[in-house]
Amino acid sequence: AQSVAQPEDQVNVAEGNPLTVKCTYSVSGNPYLFWYVQYPNRGLQFLLKYITGDNLVKGSYGFEAEFNKSQTSFHLKKPSALVSDSALYFCAVRDGSADSWGKLQFGSGTQVVVTP
Amino acid sequence: ETGVTQTPRHLVMGMTNKKSLKCEQHLGHNAMYWYKQSAKKPLELMFVYSLEERVENNSVPSRFSPECPNSSHLFLHLHTLQPEDSALYLCASSQEAYETQYFGPGTRLLVL
Repeated sequence: AQSVAQPEDQVNVAEGNPLTVKCTYSVSGNPYLFWYVQYPNRGLQFLLKYITGDNLVKGSYGFEAEFNKSQTSFHLKKPSALVSDSALYFCAVRDGSADSWGKLQFGSGTQVVVTP
Repeated sequence: ETGVTQTPRHLVMGMTNKKSLKCEQHLGHNAMYWYKQSAKKPLELMFVYSLEERVENNSVPSRFSPECPNSSHLFLHLHTLQPEDSALYLCASSQEAYETQYFGPGTRLLVL
């Protein structure tokens, strides 16, 4: 079984400050990890993913995430937040087995609010 | 935009109506998905199609009926829905069934 947890319902940060959105996961095999962002009345947009290789993954819009196997975490980070980063962020995980039919397990989402 | 379109964007229907949601992907992908997003709940995977064959039916009630006539189009036929079915229905596609999924903008459904 696989699961993912986003412990914070909401993160508040001032514009220009660092932004971190937390995610921890549980999977029986090798984890494939993803971050998506959802703006109001829109679908989910892919930000970045970790499959294998370098633990620090860089993605769209200046976001990056660090895979930490020992802590089973995949936190999303941005060095300097913008007001336009205010949105709902989803972490997702799937077992790396090819027969899982792309079945992503999504977290419950973290609302990010960036204030001017 | 992601290359995945959904119509209509908004839909209001009564419990006795029959309607269909349409999804089209312009990315040349081989797998397509339907998800349900309700307030305060994680995304729920409903159906998965790979090469036009349904490979996942995640215990979805029979009042939801998917159809995938080709690799670019996916439909969700709705009939005799319940108010608790009101939600945002998202379509997604991926190159293969285990690769990155790209989402459409969703259809906001309200069942009265």
